Amino acid sequence: QVQLQESGPGLVKPSETLSLTCAVSGYSISSGYYWGWIRQPPGKGLEWLGTVYHSGSTDYNPSLKSRVTISVDTSRSQFSLKLRSVTAADTAVYFCARLHYYDSSGYFFDYWGQGTLVTVSS
Amino acid sequence: DIQMTQSPSSLSASVGDRVTIPCRASQSIGNYLNWYQQKPGKAPKILIYGASSLQSGVPSRFSGSGSGTDFTLTISSLQPEDFATYYCQQTYSSPYSFGQGTNLEIK
Repeated sequence: QVQLQESGPGLVKPSETLSLTCAVSGYSISSGYYWGWIRQPPGKGLEWLGTVYHSGSTDYNPSLKSRVTISVDTSRSQFSLKLRSVTAADTAVYFCARLHYYDSSGYFFDYWGQGTLVTVSS
Repeated sequence: DIQMTQSPSSLSASVGDRVTIPCRASQSIGNYLNWYQQKPGKAPKILIYGASSLQSGVPSRFSGSGSGTDFTLTISSLQPEDFATYYCQQTYSSPYSFGQGTNLEIK
């Protein structure tokens, strides 16, 4: 059974960097699949942040401009999110998830972490 | 970027009702459309992928249809556990956007 678990600080100060890690169990990241981050501001909808392949290749949401970095550590079977220069607008529940490709362009998120609330406040 | 629109943002229905939830893309996305169900405090759960393929383990009362820009999620006979928020997501091109969600409430 594949399980994902987010971890990281629940409170980050404005202008600082938000750092989260997603630990994957029940599956070896180095075996393949893409892995992603999604966030959800309180009471609002979902926003796709970006994805990383086990090789390290990435795809990011341009709305985050150059503030986001997603990386993978296959030796620890985990992947990470860094979001720089945060503001109150970055307050959200952050989810990590696995992408399941069913054809060359189509995928869906099949396994999700439980989500972790990160509040940006001084 | 492709914008996904879900309207209405909320819907009221009763147990046993047949419900349809629409989703529209700002440009053609073929059939690269997923539907997720989210309950309060929980992560989303995949229901339908590729516009009409039922994910393993999802009850057959859920179905999806559409292609191009207009899509629909149908629940044939609402059960108490189906009251939740439903999101569509396009995976045709990055950034892989979600709709704003439709909250299905008990009438």
